[in-house]
Amino acid sequence: DAGVIQSPRHEVTEMGQEVTLRCKPISGHDYLFWYRQTMMRGLELLIYFNNNVPIDDSGMPEDRFSAKMPNASFSTLKIQPSEPRDSAVYFCASPHRTGHNFNEQFFGPGTRLTVL
Amino acid sequence: AQSVSQHNHHVILSEAASLELGCNYSYGGTVNLFWYVQYPGQHLQLLLKYFSGDPLVKGIKGFEAEFIKSKFSFNLRKPSVQWSDTAEYFCAVTPTSNTGKLIFGQGTTLQVKP
Repeated sequence: DAGVIQSPRHEVTEMGQEVTLRCKPISGHDYLFWYRQTMMRGLELLIYFNNNVPIDDSGMPEDRFSAKMPNASFSTLKIQPSEPRDSAVYFCASPHRTGHNFNEQFFGPGTRLTVL
Repeated sequence: AQSVSQHNHHVILSEAASLELGCNYSYGGTVNLFWYVQYPGQHLQLLLKYFSGDPLVKGIKGFEAEFIKSKFSFNLRKPSVQWSDTAEYFCAVTPTSNTGKLIFGQGTTLQVKP
């Protein structure tokens, strides 16, 4: 199993540009989580999906952020327009479940975003 | 609101020293507890977890953690650290209502000097 796959691994863009981050969860995992990691705020949950449906997007900082999951094997996180304060590492994670229990979240390698 | 607090932000130890990283959480109900590790330049990996049963749980690489319900704590320990343990350590909580939503602490950076 290749694990959670994210692309790109690094993204450098200029303020005002649109940024799209991509994630492929582990096959068979029906939940997908997007996190953001910064020095100031640590790890924050942005949004999560269950069976491709957004369940909780209360962590999405602003309307500039949007996320979609068109199918079970693909999700995107889009920032439009991007701002320097969006610079962070964005992680995607998909959990392994046993029944109702979430055993472990498997994290992708992250996308390091730098907005100049 | 649920929250997780890690007391130590930056810890520096010499090899073979013992380690204890503090973690307290704020939540009135039953929780599942996790410790994740992030080695430099890598993604988060699970060290250990507690769901129920024996409050002393053992994880990978010689780490263990003890859940003390009365103190809302889940401290991470290792009797003898190695240089390769240099990493950032995150405590995380999820309510057993099971949304899978992890609440992370701010993280503790551990630097082990050879």
